[in-house]
Amino acid sequence: GAVVSQHPSWVICKSGTSVKIECRSLDFQATTMFWYRQFPKQSLMLMATSNEGSKATYEQGVEKDKFLINHASLTLSTLTVTSAHPEDSSFYICSARDAGRSSYNEQFFGPGTRLTVL
Amino acid sequence: GNSVTQMEGPVTLSEEAFLTINCTYTATGYPSLFWYVQYPGEGLQLLLKATKADDKGSNKGFEATYRKETTSFHLEKGSVQVSDSAVYFCALIGYVQGGKLIFGQGTELSVKP
Repeated sequence: GAVVSQHPSWVICKSGTSVKIECRSLDFQATTMFWYRQFPKQSLMLMATSNEGSKATYEQGVEKDKFLINHASLTLSTLTVTSAHPEDSSFYICSARDAGRSSYNEQFFGPGTRLTVL
Repeated sequence: GNSVTQMEGPVTLSEEAFLTINCTYTATGYPSLFWYVQYPGEGLQLLLKATKADDKGSNKGFEATYRKETTSFHLEKGSVQVSDSAVYFCALIGYVQGGKLIFGQGTELSVKP
């Protein structure tokens, strides 16, 4: 149980195009999902917290118009990188919190999406 | 603010060696503590956790004890295998953070046959 999937697992796009990444909780409902970015050999940087049915909360320094987050259902959150540029190339990881568990603080991570912008 | 500090890597060990990866934290109150493992090209997997002082988390031969007096949560394994080669992240969630995980910088472990 508590499986989180991401799609696609990797994507290559041209500079200036937009890319959408999906994060799904497969066997539980997730009222809250988190989006992280990871650079090579570095730790995870939290980009935003996504709550179902409301606007995402972005961390300081993250451009909300650049990284659009939608959490329209209890099992799906999407991250759209708009007008992507080479500096947006990174590993994007989502996580989800299980609304049904009594432990409020456990997050389950997706396998990540490798984005390369040419 | 809350923070997590891990020993720097990379750590290189021979198979069957003893492993310790140090982790210390700064937090108000009583955070929950976690160890995550990331294999090459993959996302994070929860390895173990502890939610209160003196709790010991354990999984797959790995152990870590929540030490409030030393604000530490060191990861140990008695005999590492080549398949343990990965990056290990120590992390915490504090009560006042809205569920946000605070990660350490990660420690790369390489186990040689």
